[in-house]
Amino acid sequence: AQTVTQSQPEMSVQEAETVTLSCTYDTSESNYYLFWYKQPPSRQMILVIRQEAYKQQNATENRFSVNFQKAAKSFSLKISDSQLGDTAMYFCAFMIVEGGGGSNYKLTFGKGTLLTVNP
Amino acid sequence: DTEVTQTPKHLVMGMTNKKSLKCEQHMGHRAMYWYKQKAKKPPELMFVYSYEKLSINESVPSRFSPECPNSSLLNLHLHALQPEDSALYLCASSLGLSNEKLFFGSGTQLSVL
Repeated sequence: AQTVTQSQPEMSVQEAETVTLSCTYDTSESNYYLFWYKQPPSRQMILVIRQEAYKQQNATENRFSVNFQKAAKSFSLKISDSQLGDTAMYFCAFMIVEGGGGSNYKLTFGKGTLLTVNP
Repeated sequence: DTEVTQTPKHLVMGMTNKKSLKCEQHMGHRAMYWYKQKAKKPPELMFVYSYEKLSINESVPSRFSPECPNSSLLNLHLHALQPEDSALYLCASSLGLSNEKLFFGSGTQLSVL
C-alpha cells in the first residue's frame, strides 16, 4: 500500500516571501505520478503541479516548483513570491502508473498542510 | 469549458429525507468520480464511473446510490443518511480511467440533522 506523509499541519509566510511545503511518500512501485493540489476556502481542489516519477527534471509552473528526490521518496513544493491568494490547504498526492502506461485512477492523499500568507 | 459543476452548493437534510447531488461536465471526459471529504481531512474516494458504468465502489454504504445517466452527468442519491455522513462531497472527472489529470468541482457541503 502507498502512504503519503505531510509533516507540517500548518505553515505561514509573509507576502512576497518563499515557502517550502514538505511531502514524503512510501511505495514499492517504480512508476507513478506525484501531485500537489490546492484547496482554497472556495473548496475546489485545484491541481498546482504534477511530476512523473520517471522524469528526473523537477516540474515547475510559474511561481510553483518541486524538489523531487526519488531515492529519498521526497516531493516538496516551493512557492516563490507568495501571494495572498495562495492561502489554502495544500495536499500532496500519489497515483500509480499501471503496466500499460496509464494511471490506476486512485489518488492517495496526504493529510494536508494549511498555508496562510500574511500581508 | 474546463469546469466541473456541482449542485447544490449547500444541502441540509433530515435523516428520513431523500435528496440528490448533481455533477456535470462538458469536457468529453469518460471517467467520473465521487469523493467524500470530512472537515480538515483529505478526500476519500467513494465511487468511480467509466463510460457510464460503475467501475469502483469503495465499500460505500447502500444509503449512497450513484447514477451516471449519460457521459456528462453524475448523480449521487442520498437516503436515510446519518449525522456522521455530513461532509463535503466532491465530484471529479478525467479523460479516462487511465488518465491522471483529475478536474474537481467545488463540492456540495452536506449537513445531516
